[in-house]
Amino acid sequence: QQPVQSPQAVILREGEDAVINCSSSKALYSVHWYRQKHGEAPVFLMILLKGGEQKGHEKISASFNEKKQQSSLYLTASQLSYSGTYFCGTEAWMAGGTSYGKLTFGQGTILTVHP
Amino acid sequence: NAGVTQTPKFRVLKTGQSMTLLCAQDMNHEYMYWYRQDPGMGLRLIHYSVGEGTTAKGEVPDGYNVSRLKKQNFLLGLESAAPSQTSVYFCASRRQGASGELFFGEGSRLTVL
Repeated sequence: QQPVQSPQAVILREGEDAVINCSSSKALYSVHWYRQKHGEAPVFLMILLKGGEQKGHEKISASFNEKKQQSSLYLTASQLSYSGTYFCGTEAWMAGGTSYGKLTFGQGTILTVHP
Repeated sequence: NAGVTQTPKFRVLKTGQSMTLLCAQDMNHEYMYWYRQDPGMGLRLIHYSVGEGTTAKGEVPDGYNVSRLKKQNFLLGLESAAPSQTSVYFCASRRQGASGELFFGEGSRLTVL
C-alpha cells in the first residue's frame, strides 16, 4: 500500500519554508525522500532509518516518527532550485528486523518556488 | 559512469503488440525495481527483485512480466499491450541494506495506440 503525502501542492516565495508530510499504515523500516524535476528521473535527497540514523542532504532535513509511522521533510529558506515534485518512499518493517526490499512511493507533492 | 541504463527510451505500440524494456546497472546492486509514472499517481511499483533469479510483485503487476536472469539486468515485458499501459517507466536499483539509496534510469516513455 502506498504511503500518503500531504499537501498535494505548495507554492512558496524564495526564502520561505515548507514542510511535506508522509504517512504509512504499516510499521516502517525506512523512509526515502526524492525530488523530481519535470522530464527527469527522481533524485535522492534523504534516507531515514528505524532507530534514528539519517543520511542525506545538507540544506534539507527530515524527521521520522516511528510510533506514528510518519515522516516529514523540512525545506528551509527555499531556493528557486527547490521547485519540483517530492516523493516519499517507504519500506515496511518485517519480522526479524529487516525488510523485503519492497519500496513503494507516495503520490508526490508539487513544490513551486517563485522569485 | 553509466549507472542505470534503460532501453528503449521511447516506443510506440499498437494494442495487442508485445515488447520488452531492458534495464541494466553496472553498480553490482542486489535490488532492482520497475515503476510506472502517470500524472497525479506518483511512482507505482510494478515488480521488483532482491537478487538474481528472484522476482516479486509490486502494487500494479497485472499485464507485466519480469525476469532477472543476470544480476545486472532486469527485464520488463508486456505480452499484449493495452492503452492503459501508456506511461513513463522507470527502472531503479540499489544495494542491499536499509541505507541503500535508489538510483534511477532516465525513463522509458511508452505509448500504446
